[in-house]
Amino acid sequence: SQKIEQNSEALNIQEGKTATLTCNYTNYSPAYLQWYRQDPGRGPVFLLLIRENEKEKRKERLKVTFDTTLKQSLFHITASQPADSATYLCALVYVGFQKLVFGTGTRLLVSP
Amino acid sequence: DTAVSQTPKYLVTQMGNDKSIKCEQNLGHDTMYWYKQDSKKFLKIMFSYNNKELIINETVPNRFSPKSPDKAHLNLHINSLELGDSAVYFCASSQEGINEKLFFGSGTQLSVL
Repeated sequence: SQKIEQNSEALNIQEGKTATLTCNYTNYSPAYLQWYRQDPGRGPVFLLLIRENEKEKRKERLKVTFDTTLKQSLFHITASQPADSATYLCALVYVGFQKLVFGTGTRLLVSP
Repeated sequence: DTAVSQTPKYLVTQMGNDKSIKCEQNLGHDTMYWYKQDSKKFLKIMFSYNNKELIINETVPNRFSPKSPDKAHLNLHINSLELGDSAVYFCASSQEGINEKLFFGSGTQLSVL
């Protein structure tokens, strides 16, 4: 079965630094990979989508990479701000499975 | 205007009761979902509907029954509630199925006592 691993420990960084979150998967290669942000008491909010034939995607201060050889996606937030503090979830879509499978998320804490 | 709205926000009930959670989306999307997020924050799909037709039914106990009266609504009815059903339930929708981004509701926190 599909297994998606995100660092369960919270990531603490200083404001202004770059935050890098990791999403590792096993077994099948996904067709798509998505990243979501979830704040306490709220539903996940979509951030970025990257396809298996894309190496990198950017949106403002966000950057996602997708390495199908390493079976890994990295999510970067540059010039991080305290408002970026949240839990970040990666989610994979597998061809033929028709469902979005979520990782357990990594909590990011940005200190002023 | 809320894109995906679900009610109630909180639901506290006794074991053995039957309860329903309602979900509505005003985005004009074709596909709707129910996800369950457990105490460890793991988000797992339960059901998905496309234009009122059931597409995905994960290994969910048949005490859980989704109902889609039209493509803008997907309700979740739960019979004979058990302690293990306590979780946050999220409704979501997407434009054209699973290859598109999902829009989530704010969740219903269900506590079974």
